Parts: sequence; structure tokens; C-alpha cells
Amino acid sequence: AQSVAQPEDQVNVAEGNPLTVKCTYSVSGNPYLFWYVQYPNRGLQFLLKYITGDNLVKGSYGFEAEFNKSQTSFHLKKPSALVSDSALYFCVTDTGRRALTFGSGTRLQVQP
Amino acid sequence: EAQVTQNPRYLITVTGKKLTVTCSQNMNHEYMSWYRQDPGLGLRQIYYSMNVEVTDKGDVPEGYKVSRKEKRNFPLILESPSPNQTSLYFCASSLSFSKNYEQYFGPGTRLTVT
Repeated sequence: AQSVAQPEDQVNVAEGNPLTVKCTYSVSGNPYLFWYVQYPNRGLQFLLKYITGDNLVKGSYGFEAEFNKSQTSFHLKKPSALVSDSALYFCVTDTGRRALTFGSGTRLQVQP
Repeated sequence: EAQVTQNPRYLITVTGKKLTVTCSQNMNHEYMSWYRQDPGLGLRQIYYSMNVEVTDKGDVPEGYKVSRKEKRNFPLILESPSPNQTSLYFCASSLSFSKNYEQYFGPGTRLTVT
């Protein structure tokens, strides 16, 4: 079964520092990977996706993700964190059964 | 404005009292889906619909029903709610179910069953 794992429940980073939110995947065939973000009391918003092609994917709000096939990882990154980036982040993959499967989520806290 | 709307946003009910959570999208999307979000579990799919009158079970369909009589609406029905259905529910839609199309999510419905 296709799955993703987010090993960290929470990541803390100071404003202005780079941030990384980790995700590993277990997918047969070509992986389709996504990152979604959930701000407090809001629905989820799409950030970026990897389908094929360049291993570095750029998305919304200055985020990017690096696809690493040998390490089966798809980490979310941003060069300089903002307090407004504080939210819950989900790594997501396509199950191949017309559904998405979500990781457990990582809460990002950016301190001023 | 393109959006997915859900109603109600908050609901407290008692065990066994039938309820419906509505979901509507104004983007002419074919694919719609319901998820529930529980702490530490991420989002899990309840039901999905590929188009009008086409629905199918997701990972956790027990205790839920859906219908898709119109393209824009996809209500979630709990015929006899139980406390283990206390959760945060999200409706989502996309142009079709394809890796090329992002899903748009509603704001969520927080349901408490006592």
C-alpha cells in the first residue's frame, strides 16, 4: 500500500532561520507526492506537488521540496521562516485508488 | 470566488440523532470527497464521488452515507451518530481525480457526538 510518514510531530524554528519538515514515502511505481498546509481553523491548502522531472519542486509562499529517490524522501523546505508559516503540514501521496493518503502531520512553530 | 463550503461549521449532537453535513463547490468539479481528521492520524477518506450518481467507499466508510445528485453538492449523512464519530470533517473537490489536479478543501465541520 502507498503510504507516507512524517517522523516529527512538531518542528520548532526561529524566524529567519531555514526550516525543514521531513517526509518519507513507501510507494510502488512512480510516486506522486504533495504537501498541504492547514492554518488554524482553516481548511487545507495545496502547497506543491512532485509528479516527475526536477527533484527540486517550488511551490507557494516560498516553499520548496526536494525529492530524493534513493532515500525515499520528500522533505519540505524554506530558506527563511516567517512567524506566519506556523501551521500544520501534511505530506500526501496518491493511493492509486482515486484517493489521497495523508501523513500524520507535523506542526511547525516559528518563534519570533 | 472559487470555494468549497460546508455547513454547519460546528455541531454538537446526541447519539442516534440523524444529521447531515452539507458540502457545495462552485468550480464545476467532477471529483468530490469527504475526509475525517483525528489527532495523530492525519486525514482519512470516508467516501468519494467521481461524478454525479457515482460514489464509492474510502478507507473509513462505516457509519456514513453520501449522495451525489447534483454536481455541486455532496452531503455527508450520519444516520445514527455515535461518539466515535466525533471528529473534524473536511469536504474536498478537484476538477477530476488526477495527479495533475490539486484538491480544494472546505473549512471543516467540527462534530461532537455525546
